Amino acid sequence: DAGVIQSPRHEVTEMGQEVTLRCKPISGHNSLFWYRQTMMRGLELLIYFNNNVPIDDSGMPEDRFSAKMPNASFSTLKIQPSEPRDSAVYFCASRPRIGGLSPLHFGNGTRLTVT
Amino acid sequence: AQRVTQPEKLLSVFKGAPVELKCNYSYSGSPELFWYVQYSRQRLQLLLRHISRESIKGFTADLNKGETSFHLKKPFAQEEDSAMYYCALSGRGNQFYFGTGTSLTVIP
Repeated sequence: DAGVIQSPRHEVTEMGQEVTLRCKPISGHNSLFWYRQTMMRGLELLIYFNNNVPIDDSGMPEDRFSAKMPNASFSTLKIQPSEPRDSAVYFCASRPRIGGLSPLHFGNGTRLTVT
Repeated sequence: AQRVTQPEKLLSVFKGAPVELKCNYSYSGSPELFWYVQYSRQRLQLLLRHISRESIKGFTADLNKGETSFHLKKPFAQEEDSAMYYCALSGRGNQFYFGTGTSLTVIP
């Protein structure tokens, strides 16, 4: 199992540009989470999906952020337009089952720099 | 409401000394508790979970429901233990809450 796969690993873009981050969860996992990590705020949950359906997007900072999960094997997090304060590491994680004892499995993250 | 509290942002210990990373939680019902570790610029990895009652890399954690704590302990710290440690709680539905993390530095 290749684990949770995120792309790109690094993204450098200019303010105002659109950024799309991609995630492939572990096959068979039912839940997918997007987190943002910064020095100031630590790990923040942005949104999570159960069986491809968005359940809680209350952590999405503003309308510039959107996330989709068109099928069980792919999700995107889009920022449009991007701003320097969006610079962070974005992690995707998947979970074998909804709730309970199953842990989250994280991808390697995408380090986003907005100049 | 703060679900998981890690009171120490930074913790330094000498190699060979015991280490304890504190975690307290607030949750009604019976949560599932986890510890994750993140080595420099890497992904978060599951270290252990309370239900398993296991020892991973010499670390143990005991759930104390009376004190609502799940502290991570190791009797003899090693340099390779230097990392960021996150305590996490799994609740009803599919919620998964993380603490703010503790950065552990083991001094040679």
